[in-house]
Amino acid sequence: KAGVTQTPRYLIKTRGQQVTLSCSPISGHRSVSWYQQTPGQGLQFLFEYFSETQRNKGNFPGRFSGRQFSNSRSEMNVSTLELGDSALYLCASSLANPRAGGYTFGSGTRLTVV
Amino acid sequence: QQPVQSPQAVILREGEDAVINCSSSKALYSVHWYRQKHGEAPVFLMILLKGGEQKGHDKISASFNEKKQQSSLYLTASQLSYSGTYFCASLPTGANNLFFGTGTRLTVIP
Repeated sequence: KAGVTQTPRYLIKTRGQQVTLSCSPISGHRSVSWYQQTPGQGLQFLFEYFSETQRNKGNFPGRFSGRQFSNSRSEMNVSTLELGDSALYLCASSLANPRAGGYTFGSGTRLTVV
Repeated sequence: QQPVQSPQAVILREGEDAVINCSSSKALYSVHWYRQKHGEAPVFLMILLKGGEQKGHDKISASFNEKKQQSSLYLTASQLSYSGTYFCASLPTGANNLFFGTGTRLTVIP
C-alpha cells in the first residue's frame, strides 16, 4: 500500500512569508501528527488531528496551524515565517492513535527560511 | 514531557553490543523505538506496552520498566546497517500523541 506522502519535499521562503505543507496519510489511517525536527531540538510535537478535529497541540506559537480534511489529508500552515522556522517538518500517520502500533512517517518537507 | 536518552552518541565496531537508555518523568502507557538514517524519515522498530515485557526482532530488542518509566534498547552483534539515530518515544497515559527523545547517534564501523 502507498506510504505517507508529503509535499513539497523542499521549500525556500523569505522571512515574513507564509507556507502551507501537505500530508496524505496511509489509506485508512485517520490520525495525522506533525513534528518539527531540528538538529538541536530533535522531534518536537506540533499538533495531531483525528477525523478533522485537532485533538492535541504542542507548545508552538499561533503562527503554526493545521487542519485535516474529510479524506484524512492534512495541511499545516506557518505564517509570518522566521529564520528559526527552518527545519524538517515530518508528518506521521496512524490508525487512530499510537497505543497499539507505531507511526509511519512521511519523508518530510525541508523548509529553509532566508 | 520529552524523554531523556543516553548516551547521546556511541561508536561501535561491527559485532559489538550497545545499550541505549530512555527515561521519562511521566507515567507511561507505552514506549516506542524508531531509527532514522541520515536524510530519511524515522522508521518504527517496536512498541513496548505496560507490563514490563521485552520485545525484539533479529538482534535488536528492548525492555520497558513501567514502574521506573524507563526503557532500554539492546543492539547485539551490531552490523553496519544499524548505523543511524535511535529515538525513543513515550506515550503518556491518556495521551494520543508521542513525545520523542533527543536521540542517540549510533555509528557502526568496520
